[in-house]
Amino acid sequence: DAEITQSPRHKITETGRQVTLACHQTWNHNNMFWYRQDLGHGLRLIHYSYGVQDTNKGEVSDGYSVSRSNTEDLPLTLESAASSQTSVYFCASSEGLGANTGELFFGEGSRLTVL
Amino acid sequence: QKEVEQNSGPLSVPEGAIASLNCTYSDRGSQSFFWYRQYSGKSPELIMFIYSNGDKEDGRFTAQLNKASQYVSLLIRDSQPSDSATYLCAVKNYGQNFVFGPGTRLSVLP
Repeated sequence: DAEITQSPRHKITETGRQVTLACHQTWNHNNMFWYRQDLGHGLRLIHYSYGVQDTNKGEVSDGYSVSRSNTEDLPLTLESAASSQTSVYFCASSEGLGANTGELFFGEGSRLTVL
Repeated sequence: QKEVEQNSGPLSVPEGAIASLNCTYSDRGSQSFFWYRQYSGKSPELIMFIYSNGDKEDGRFTAQLNKASQYVSLLIRDSQPSDSATYLCAVKNYGQNFVFGPGTRLSVLP
């Protein structure tokens, strides 16, 4: 079965360290997304990609970067982790961009704690 | 800025009752509307989507859309304790990304 997996599922790091969260999907979807979820804010879009070599900033992109070298993977990098980046991170993928397409398929989430 | 609003809850209903979850959105051009369910500590999963004004039924779930009022709702009939979760409303326009509401926490009491 096609799936989307994230690693690590849990990560504790220190302020200032670089952290990379991995996301791998086997749906063969062109679109991939990274969200963070914090209490009271719901899901907020960090970065997204509509295809290989395409990356775009979302509403909360400061301090994060992504790269898309193949269809399956969209790693999220925190260049210098800050306590404000403590959150649960979800990777998601979807097939199309039309209004009538694009159900999001989510990974299991990665809980990041920055001390 | 495009916004999606939901009552944060918690919304508590007795087992067997109808749970009504509401969502309003600011972008009048929005074309598709999704309801995701998220259990505590888990990832969101799609329950229903609706594109046209009116009602759409799927088992115990009914989504209702009123584009003129920029309002979408989810009704859960015969609520069960297993329905206790956070329900996320998401709105999408053609060629654009999803915008999520903050979610409504539903608690179904046995």
